[in-house]
Amino acid sequence: AQSVTQLGSHVSVSEGALVLLRCNYSSSVPPYLFWYVQYPNQGLQLLLKYTTGATLVKGINGFEAEFKKSETSFHLTKPSAHMSDAAEYFCAVREGLGGGATNKLIFGTGTLLAVQP
Amino acid sequence: KAGVTQTPRYLIKTRGQQVTLSCSPISGHRSVSWYQQTPGQGLQFLFEYFSETQRNKGNFPGRFSGRQFSNSRSEMNVSTLELGDSALYLCASSLGLAGGQYEQYFGPGTRLTVT
Repeated sequence: AQSVTQLGSHVSVSEGALVLLRCNYSSSVPPYLFWYVQYPNQGLQLLLKYTTGATLVKGINGFEAEFKKSETSFHLTKPSAHMSDAAEYFCAVREGLGGGATNKLIFGTGTLLAVQP
Repeated sequence: KAGVTQTPRYLIKTRGQQVTLSCSPISGHRSVSWYQQTPGQGLQFLFEYFSETQRNKGNFPGRFSGRQFSNSRSEMNVSTLELGDSALYLCASSLGLAGGQYEQYFGPGTRLTVT
């Protein structure tokens, strides 16, 4: 069974500083991995995804993530934080085999990012 | 293109009542999934529908049910509401299921409060 662990439920950075949100996954098959962002009183917005191919994935709003199989990690980074990045971020893995027909996602517990001026 | 819409956005119900939540997917999307989000349990998968058929179900009691219509719109129903059912219920739609590579787009959610 797949699972996701997000290290750090709260992360605080200064505006302009590097953002690093950690995600480790557990999967016995090649995983499909996702990062979502949730702003207050809103649904989830997809930032980026990894399915196959290039291990460095670029997403929206300047975010990127690198799939590292040897470390079972999929950490999210952004070189320079902006005040508008303050939100909750969720890492997720799609359940099942790589070619399986389901969209079911297993989410981590989330990381609340605060950006200080 | 309009996004995923969920109605109502907010709902207050009394313990023991039942509730129906609605989700309209993005036009052309045939897959709809439902998730429950609570502070204690986080985001948990409820069901997944594709072409009016339930394809996957999460670990929730039978009080939680759902369905999908021929126009891909979906409803979920919770009977005999309990205080612990208070949550944000999120609906997500995607084009299909093939390989799970289709992106899922989430609606704004329905905030259910059970008193």
